[in-house]
Amino acid sequence: QVQLQQWGAGLLKPPETLSLTCAVYGGSFSGYYWSWIRQPPGKGLEWIGEINHSGSTNYNPSLKSRVTISGDTSNNQFSLKMSSVTAADTAVYYCARGLYYCSTGSCSMKLDYWGQGTLVTVSS
Amino acid sequence: QSALTQPASASGSPGQSITISCTGTSSDVGSYNYVCWYQQHPGKAPKLMIYDVRNRPSGVSNRFSGSKSGSTASLTISGLQAEDEADYYCSSYTSSSTWVFGGGTKLTVL
Repeated sequence: QVQLQQWGAGLLKPPETLSLTCAVYGGSFSGYYWSWIRQPPGKGLEWIGEINHSGSTNYNPSLKSRVTISGDTSNNQFSLKMSSVTAADTAVYYCARGLYYCSTGSCSMKLDYWGQGTLVTVSS
Repeated sequence: QSALTQPASASGSPGQSITISCTGTSSDVGSYNYVCWYQQHPGKAPKLMIYDVRNRPSGVSNRFSGSKSGSTASLTISGLQAEDEADYYCSSYTSSSTWVFGGGTKLTVL
């Protein structure tokens, strides 16, 4: 059974850098995309970005200038760094596995396994 | 990218059916059949309920079904049960190789 376990600093001051890591257990790191998603308190989900096992990344255009996602294939982990945080970055941050594949003329895409979430609070 | 549009709330009585809509654009829902629906209970991580518009992951009840017409996707829950009370989010892959989520719908089982 695939499990995603995430961790990182939960309290930051502006304009520090947010840093979170997500470890993948019970499954392969290769062949998937690995995403970060966040959810401000009482609000909806916002996709931050993703990386695949080859290091190829895609980012939400609204966050791209401040976000870096990196992967560590040897340890089945991937990380999120977000610079110059403000109170608006206060949220629960989730990591998730993206399964994208095509076979016999049809394709499929989904975020099927999620981490438990990490609350990051930004306050001066 | 703009969030997909969902109703803020929905409600139904046990045993009834409800449908939640998710409206996007020609850059996301209208162009791709990569629409997912997630269920989120308070304090929990989202759970995948529907993927590729209408497919259910193993273990998800067949009371949950999905469909799409044009740029609007829909989630239907039949035979409402108390445990279905949760927030529901749609998401779609986009032409920019990103994911976009809806604002979420709070489902109340009366």
